Amino acid sequence: GDSVTQMEGPVTLSEEAFLTINCTYTATGYPSLFWYVQYPGEGLQLLLKATKADDKGSNKGFEATYRKETTSFHLEKGSVQVSDSAVYFCALRGQAGTALIFGKGTTLSVSS
Amino acid sequence: EAQVTQNPRYLITVTGKKLTVTCSQNMNHEYMSWYRQDPGLGLRQIYYSMNVEVTDKGDVPEGYKVSRKEKRNFPLILESPSPNQTSLYFCATSPPGANVLTFGAGSRLTVL
Repeated sequence: GDSVTQMEGPVTLSEEAFLTINCTYTATGYPSLFWYVQYPGEGLQLLLKATKADDKGSNKGFEATYRKETTSFHLEKGSVQVSDSAVYFCALRGQAGTALIFGKGTTLSVSS
Repeated sequence: EAQVTQNPRYLITVTGKKLTVTCSQNMNHEYMSWYRQDPGLGLRQIYYSMNVEVTDKGDVPEGYKVSRKEKRNFPLILESPSPNQTSLYFCATSPPGANVLTFGAGSRLTVL
């Protein structure tokens, strides 16, 4: 079945450092791909999405590109801030599916 | 303001004592879903509902029940809670045909 694998955390960075969180997926056809973010004590919020190959999703300085050839959707940010500290979830929704399938989450901690 | 409201936000209970976690959305969405979040396992879908009176099992439905008598509400029922149901629970909703979920703030349940 469909699945999502993302890098284990925690990821600890200093402010203004470059961030990459790797995400790869297994799915038939052309799934939609997402990054969700969970700030402490809150529910998940959509960060960005891409619905077809080579699409780039972007929001709040974060970017991810849907790479069909490598089945990847890596999250990047050029300069992280303390306020970016959160748990990040990669997710997919298959062509025929109703459920979002989540990765296990990556905790990011940014210090000043 | 578009909202998904869960109650209670925190609950400590004992094995076997029936409980209900309520979920209500004000967006008139047809699709609603329950997830549980556990460390190292990410989010896993418990049940979902495509519309009123239409519910289906997700990946981890054992020990849970749901009902969908009206569009705005989707309660999660634990008839006889056990310690392995200690978890953080999220309700989510989306409009028909859309890929993006809006999540509630979460309900942290501890079963002793």
